[in-house]
Amino acid sequence: DQQVKQNSPSLSVQEGRISILNCDYTNSMFDYFLWYKKYPAEGPTFLISISSIKDKNEDGRFTVFLNKSAKHLSLHIVPSQPGDSAVYFCAASPTLSGNTPLVFGKGTRLSVIA
Amino acid sequence: DSGVTQTPKHLITATGQRVTLRCSPRSGDLSVYWYQQSLDQGLQFLIHYYNGEERAKGNILERFSAQQFPDLHSELNLSSLELGDSALYFCASSVAITSGGVYEQFFGPGTRLTVL
Repeated sequence: DQQVKQNSPSLSVQEGRISILNCDYTNSMFDYFLWYKKYPAEGPTFLISISSIKDKNEDGRFTVFLNKSAKHLSLHIVPSQPGDSAVYFCAASPTLSGNTPLVFGKGTRLSVIA
Repeated sequence: DSGVTQTPKHLITATGQRVTLRCSPRSGDLSVYWYQQSLDQGLQFLIHYYNGEERAKGNILERFSAQQFPDLHSELNLSSLELGDSALYFCASSVAITSGGVYEQFFGPGTRLTVL
Protein backbone atom coordinates (compact mmCIF):
# COMPACT_ATOMS: atom_id res chain seq x y z
CA ASP A 1 0.00 0.00 0.00
CA GLN A 2 1.77 3.10 -1.27
CA GLN A 3 0.95 6.07 0.91
CA VAL A 4 2.94 8.54 -1.18
CA LYS A 5 2.65 8.28 -4.94
CA GLN A 6 4.59 9.93 -7.70
CA ASN A 7 2.81 8.72 -10.79
CA SER A 8 5.22 10.11 -13.35
CA PRO A 9 8.47 8.13 -13.40
CA SER A 10 10.09 10.68 -15.69
CA LEU A 11 9.69 14.20 -17.06
CA SER A 12 11.58 16.10 -19.75
CA VAL A 13 11.56 19.88 -19.87
CA GLN A 14 13.32 22.49 -22.00
CA GLU A 15 15.82 24.72 -20.25
CA GLY A 16 14.18 27.95 -19.11
CA ARG A 17 10.68 26.47 -18.97
CA ILE A 18 8.70 25.42 -15.91
CA SER A 19 9.05 21.92 -14.45
CA ILE A 20 6.07 20.63 -12.48
CA LEU A 21 6.48 17.49 -10.43
CA ASN A 22 3.42 15.98 -8.80
CA CYS A 23 2.85 13.91 -5.70
CA ASP A 24 -0.29 12.40 -4.17
CA TYR A 25 -0.73 10.94 -0.73
CA THR A 26 -3.39 8.82 0.89
CA ASN A 27 -2.71 9.15 4.61
CA SER A 28 -4.67 12.07 6.05
CA MET A 29 -2.39 11.98 9.11
CA PHE A 30 0.49 13.40 7.09
CA ASP A 31 1.13 16.96 8.16
CA TYR A 32 4.52 17.76 6.78
CA PHE A 33 5.85 17.27 3.27
CA LEU A 34 9.34 17.47 1.85
CA TRP A 35 11.00 17.28 -1.53
CA TYR A 36 14.40 15.71 -1.91
CA LYS A 37 16.65 15.78 -4.93
CA LYS A 38 19.02 12.95 -5.75
CA TYR A 39 21.93 12.86 -8.15
CA PRO A 40 23.48 9.52 -9.20
CA ALA A 41 25.90 8.04 -6.65
CA GLU A 42 24.83 10.55 -4.00
CA GLY A 43 22.34 10.49 -1.15
CA PRO A 44 19.11 12.50 -1.37
CA THR A 45 19.47 16.15 -0.45
CA PHE A 46 16.72 18.26 1.06
CA LEU A 47 15.20 20.79 -1.29
CA ILE A 48 12.08 22.36 0.17
CA SER A 49 9.30 21.54 2.59
CA ILE A 50 5.78 22.59 3.49
CA SER A 51 3.61 22.05 6.52
CA SER A 52 -0.10 21.43 6.33
CA ILE A 53 -0.93 24.85 7.73
CA LYS A 54 0.32 26.42 4.51
CA ASP A 55 -0.66 25.98 0.90
CA LYS A 56 2.48 27.40 -0.65
CA ASN A 57 6.15 27.70 0.18
CA GLU A 58 8.70 29.37 -2.04
CA ASP A 59 12.49 29.25 -2.05
CA GLY A 60 14.15 30.89 -4.99
CA ARG A 61 13.31 28.99 -8.17
CA PHE A 62 11.47 26.30 -6.21
CA THR A 63 7.86 26.51 -5.05
CA VAL A 64 5.85 23.76 -3.42
CA PHE A 65 2.05 23.88 -3.47
CA LEU A 66 -0.14 21.83 -1.17
CA ASN A 67 -3.81 21.03 -1.73
CA LYS A 68 -4.90 19.24 1.43
CA SER A 69 -8.44 18.52 0.29
CA ALA A 70 -7.10 16.75 -2.80
CA LYS A 71 -4.17 15.22 -0.90
CA HIS A 72 -1.91 16.53 -3.60
CA LEU A 73 1.28 18.52 -3.72
CA SER A 74 3.43 19.76 -6.53
CA LEU A 75 6.92 21.14 -6.94
CA HIS A 76 7.43 23.93 -9.48
CA ILE A 77 10.89 24.79 -10.74
CA VAL A 78 11.12 28.05 -12.68
CA PRO A 79 13.18 28.53 -14.74
CA SER A 80 14.47 24.99 -15.14
CA GLN A 81 18.21 24.58 -15.56
CA PRO A 82 20.29 21.63 -16.81
CA GLY A 83 21.73 21.24 -13.30
CA ASP A 84 18.22 20.47 -12.07
CA SER A 85 18.34 17.14 -13.88
CA ALA A 86 18.02 14.59 -11.08
CA VAL A 87 15.54 12.27 -9.42
CA TYR A 88 13.07 14.11 -7.19
CA PHE A 89 11.47 12.34 -4.26
CA CYS A 90 8.37 13.50 -2.46
CA ALA A 91 8.27 12.53 1.22
CA ALA A 92 5.73 12.90 4.00
CA SER A 93 5.64 12.76 7.77
CA PRO A 94 2.76 12.63 10.23
CA THR A 95 4.40 15.12 12.54
CA LEU A 96 6.57 18.20 12.51
CA SER A 97 9.10 16.37 14.61
CA GLY A 98 12.49 15.45 13.27
CA ASN A 99 12.12 12.19 15.10
CA THR A 100 9.78 10.37 12.78
CA PRO A 101 10.68 8.39 9.69
CA LEU A 102 9.74 9.78 6.31
CA VAL A 103 7.48 8.01 3.83
CA PHE A 104 8.84 8.40 0.33
CA GLY A 105 7.39 8.17 -3.13
CA LYS A 106 9.22 6.26 -5.85
CA GLY A 107 10.64 9.40 -7.40
CA THR A 108 10.40 11.29 -10.70
CA ARG A 109 13.43 11.57 -12.95
CA LEU A 110 13.63 15.12 -14.33
CA SER A 111 15.67 15.78 -17.43
CA VAL A 112 16.22 19.42 -18.36
CA ILE A 113 17.27 19.71 -21.98
CA ALA A 114 19.52 22.57 -23.01
CA ASP B 1 28.47 17.13 1.68
CA SER B 2 25.68 16.35 4.15
CA GLY B 3 28.05 15.52 6.99
CA VAL B 4 26.70 11.96 7.21
CA THR B 5 29.25 9.30 6.31
CA GLN B 6 28.61 5.74 5.30
CA THR B 7 31.05 2.89 4.76
CA PRO B 8 31.67 1.01 2.64
CA LYS B 9 30.48 2.67 -0.57
CA HIS B 10 30.16 -0.65 -2.37
CA LEU B 11 29.86 -4.19 -1.09
CA ILE B 12 29.70 -7.34 -3.17
CA THR B 13 28.99 -10.60 -1.42
CA ALA B 14 27.39 -13.99 -1.89
CA THR B 15 24.03 -15.37 -0.85
CA GLY B 16 23.96 -16.66 2.70
CA GLN B 17 26.65 -14.28 3.90
CA ARG B 18 26.48 -11.58 6.54
CA VAL B 19 27.55 -7.95 6.16
CA THR B 20 27.72 -4.85 8.33
CA LEU B 21 27.05 -1.36 7.05
CA ARG B 22 28.28 1.59 9.06
CA CYS B 23 26.93 5.11 9.45
CA SER B 24 28.27 8.16 11.26
CA PRO B 25 25.66 10.90 11.73
CA ARG B 26 26.28 14.63 11.53
CA SER B 27 27.92 16.08 14.58
CA GLY B 28 25.26 16.71 17.21
CA ASP B 29 22.52 14.65 15.56
CA LEU B 30 21.05 12.07 17.90
CA SER B 31 18.65 10.40 15.46
CA VAL B 32 19.77 7.87 12.88
CA TYR B 33 17.48 6.32 10.30
CA TRP B 34 18.15 3.48 7.88
CA TYR B 35 16.41 3.29 4.51
CA GLN B 36 16.58 0.75 1.69
CA GLN B 37 16.19 1.68 -1.95
CA SER B 38 15.67 -1.26 -4.29
CA LEU B 39 15.59 -0.93 -8.07
CA ASP B 40 12.86 1.46 -9.21
CA GLN B 41 11.56 1.80 -5.69
CA GLY B 42 11.38 4.74 -3.36
CA LEU B 43 13.26 4.76 -0.11
CA GLN B 44 11.76 2.28 2.32
CA PHE B 45 12.20 3.03 6.00
CA LEU B 46 13.89 0.23 7.92
CA ILE B 47 14.62 1.40 11.45
CA HIS B 48 15.16 4.51 13.59
CA TYR B 49 17.47 4.97 16.56
CA TYR B 50 17.54 7.92 18.89
CA ASN B 51 20.45 8.37 21.27
CA GLY B 52 21.17 4.66 21.37
CA GLU B 53 17.61 3.44 21.67
CA GLU B 54 15.43 1.90 18.99
CA ARG B 55 12.49 4.23 18.33
CA ALA B 56 10.64 2.80 15.36
CA LYS B 57 10.74 -0.13 13.00
CA GLY B 58 9.54 -0.14 9.45
CA ASN B 59 9.78 -2.85 6.80
CA ILE B 60 12.84 -4.46 8.29
CA LEU B 61 13.31 -8.19 7.85
CA GLU B 62 14.09 -10.37 10.85
CA ARG B 63 17.42 -11.22 9.18
CA PHE B 64 18.38 -7.55 9.54
CA SER B 65 19.29 -5.81 12.76
CA ALA B 66 20.80 -2.50 13.76
CA GLN B 67 22.25 -0.73 16.72
CA GLN B 68 23.44 2.73 17.68
CA PHE B 69 26.54 3.00 19.81
CA PRO B 70 27.39 5.49 22.59
CA ASP B 71 29.38 7.61 20.11
CA LEU B 72 26.13 7.74 18.06
CA HIS B 73 27.42 5.88 15.04
CA SER B 74 25.13 3.13 13.84
CA GLU B 75 25.55 -0.22 12.19
CA LEU B 76 23.08 -2.18 10.09
CA ASN B 77 23.68 -5.92 10.08
CA LEU B 78 22.29 -7.99 7.23
CA SER B 79 22.51 -11.77 7.53
CA SER B 80 21.58 -14.83 5.48
CA LEU B 81 21.69 -12.57 2.47
CA GLU B 82 19.45 -13.25 -0.50
CA LEU B 83 19.60 -11.96 -4.06
CA GLY B 84 16.66 -9.67 -3.31
CA ASP B 85 18.63 -7.85 -0.64
CA SER B 86 20.69 -6.17 -3.34
CA ALA B 87 19.90 -2.48 -2.97
CA LEU B 88 21.17 0.91 -1.93
CA TYR B 89 21.13 1.36 1.82
CA PHE B 90 20.98 4.93 3.07
CA CYS B 91 21.52 6.28 6.50
CA ALA B 92 20.08 9.64 7.52
CA SER B 93 20.42 11.73 10.64
CA SER B 94 18.49 14.60 12.14
CA VAL B 95 18.69 16.79 15.18
CA ALA B 96 16.64 16.08 18.25
CA ILE B 97 13.38 17.94 18.29
CA THR B 98 12.25 19.57 21.47
CA SER B 99 9.64 22.10 20.48
CA GLY B 100 7.87 23.15 17.39
CA GLY B 101 10.71 23.25 14.94
CA VAL B 102 10.93 21.25 11.79
CA TYR B 103 14.10 19.50 10.84
CA GLU B 104 14.85 17.67 7.67
CA GLN B 105 16.84 14.48 7.56
CA PHE B 106 20.33 14.57 6.13
CA PHE B 107 21.32 11.58 4.07
CA GLY B 108 24.64 9.86 3.61
CA PRO B 109 25.89 8.82 0.16
CA GLY B 110 24.65 5.26 0.64
CA THR B 111 26.13 1.79 0.48
CA ARG B 112 25.43 -0.20 -2.65
CA LEU B 113 25.06 -3.86 -1.72
CA THR B 114 25.23 -6.48 -4.44
CA VAL B 115 24.42 -10.07 -3.51
CA LEU B 116 25.54 -12.63 -6.07
